[in-house]
Amino acid sequence: DIVMTQSPDSLALSLGERATINCKSSQSVLYSSNNKNYLAWYQQKPGQPPKLLIYWASTRESGVPDRFSGSGSGTDFTLTISNLRAEDVAVYYCQQFYSTPRSTFGQGTKLEIK
Amino acid sequence: EVQLLESGGGLAQPGGSLRLSCAASGFTFSSYAMSWVRQAPGEGLEWVSAVSGSGASTYYADSVKGRFTISRDNSENTLYLQMNRLRAEDTAVYYCAKGPLLGLDVWGQGATVTVSS
Repeated sequence: DIVMTQSPDSLALSLGERATINCKSSQSVLYSSNNKNYLAWYQQKPGQPPKLLIYWASTRESGVPDRFSGSGSGTDFTLTISNLRAEDVAVYYCQQFYSTPRSTFGQGTKLEIK
Repeated sequence: EVQLLESGGGLAQPGGSLRLSCAASGFTFSSYAMSWVRQAPGEGLEWVSAVSGSGASTYYADSVKGRFTISRDNSENTLYLQMNRLRAEDTAVYYCAKGPLLGLDVWGQGATVTVSS
């Protein structure tokens, strides 16, 4: 199984700052046939289901603000949230779907406002 | 509007059974693989199971293989998860989700399953 490891486990930033969340997979999730990274990012607010933010490592889901961006390839990925807003407080998860439809999630990163 | 609505959660005894349902609307249900993901209290997300659009292919996490069965009725636009031989560690909120094709792009609100004597 592909193991996903996120860092940090939590972070606290001020409004307007930039948040950076990292995700590392135990093996590459890059499909050579289509040059796509099978990596997604989700946001989960308290009491709500997860919401898809980004797929293929860097493609924003429709309606997701451009303050959210994804980058990386192979085994190392980053979710960046610029100009942090109060409504961004949530737990963020990465997910590999290279072994689709099987998938695994990272352990989550809790984002708080200072 | 694309929507998923779970039902069937509740309290079960260890060794007991429950069946979850997920009613889909707003998209061509049979065209998409569907998944179940669970979240134990205070914990992260765990992929549980998935089924192909036709229902012919099914996939399970090792933690539930042999105990849970995923199925779908495309005529009724409904996804199911039959859970047998339940254990305390199966206690969680169970979400149905559309995909993954490009990640899991639609999620239900979740059904709570509690396994306790």
